[in-house]
Order: sequence, then C-alpha cells, then structure tokens
Amino acid sequence: DQQVKQNSPSLSVQEGRISILNCDYTNSMFDYFLWYKKYPAEGPTFLISISSIKDKNEDGRFTVFLNKSAKHLSLHIVPSQPGDSAVYFCAASAYQGGSEKLVFGKGTKLTVNP
Amino acid sequence: DAGVIQSPRHEVTEMGQEVTLRCKLISGHNSLFWYRQTMMRGLELLIYFNNNVPIDDSGMPEDRFSAKMPNASFSTLKIQPSEPRDSAVYFCARTWGAGGNTIYFGEGSWLTVV
Repeated sequence: DQQVKQNSPSLSVQEGRISILNCDYTNSMFDYFLWYKKYPAEGPTFLISISSIKDKNEDGRFTVFLNKSAKHLSLHIVPSQPGDSAVYFCAASAYQGGSEKLVFGKGTKLTVNP
Repeated sequence: DAGVIQSPRHEVTEMGQEVTLRCKLISGHNSLFWYRQTMMRGLELLIYFNNNVPIDDSGMPEDRFSAKMPNASFSTLKIQPSEPRDSAVYFCARTWGAGGNTIYFGEGSWLTVV
C-alpha cells in the first residue's frame, strides 16, 4: 500500500525552463509535506516543505503547491539549472505513535539539460 | 551538515555473514530513523526511535534485522545472517528542533551482499 506516489520516475527539461514534479498521497491524516533532493552517493537533503493549512510555499526558485482536496502536491523549479539535476523525493508526515512519521515516494529523477 | 555520521560508507560481504551498520549523532535529536533505499521500493522506513526507545519497527523486513539505540548519540542496525536481497543503501536520519517535522539524513551506508 503505497501512501505517497510519484508516478513519473524521470523528467527531463531544458535549462531555464520550468520543472514540475508531482506527488499524490492517499492518507488524509498527513498534515505536513516535504520535498527532498538527492545527489548520487549522498543522503537526501531537505529542500522545502508545506503545512496542510497552506496551499503554497515559496523559497527562491522553488515553490511547492498543495491541493488537499485532490491529495496532490507539486514542486515547481523556475528557472531550472543543470545543478538541479538530482532525484527528488516527496514525503508526507503524520503524527503517529508519539512522533512524526515520514513516508516517502519512490522519487523522480530530474535531468536539466544545458 | 545533518550531524549524522554513518559507518561504514561501503561494505561488501558474503551471504550469511553478520553486518553491523552504525550511526553517530553529532548533536541532539528528537527521533532517530533507519531507512533503506532500493530501486524497486524507494525509501522505506525500517524503524524509528524516540528518546532512545524503539517506537515503530513494523518496517523491519524480518527477524534477521535488529536495531538498538544504547544512548542518545549512537545507534546500530544489524543484519544476521545477511542475504543478497539485503543489498541496498541504508540511511540513518534524525529530527531535531521545534516541530520535529524535518528529517536530516546521513550520507548512507552502501551494502552489497554477494
């Protein structure tokens, strides 16, 4: 039972254009959502997050949108740069067992071509 | 800097051998997590600790896997006996600070069981 789904395993865009990474979730108890970025041979690093009480959060070139009714979130990167090439993981959090428990999607590999 | 140090970074071992992965926390934590990453299943939560106490180990694949957290700055994940299907990248991670929603990952331990 995959609670967090990233249906696109890969995405390729041109430098300077917009990258849109999508994520769907099934558990309505999730109240916090995060995006992580992972380079090869490194651990995932936190990128941006959004609380379920908001529908948009922006940080520089990165914007996360949340549509609670559709149980969908997306990450927009504008403009895309070659250094953004990485695997992006969507994660959702719910308070369970006395702690926040993160569930990750399988990731989307983004390639930004010069 | 996530403040999470994992060792070994790479390990190649023969099937049937015992494997011990280590995680050291440089600073404090709210919770400590062990994740496993494979191509097929993405990032899976194996177990997490809250205040050194195991809270949820439902992700541990089978009895061959065990984890301990003897103090607030150190944890081990042990596989005994190891099997080729255990080959994966194992990440230790922590939450820290107010809210505790964001997880900070170590750089991972790459395990290959032949």
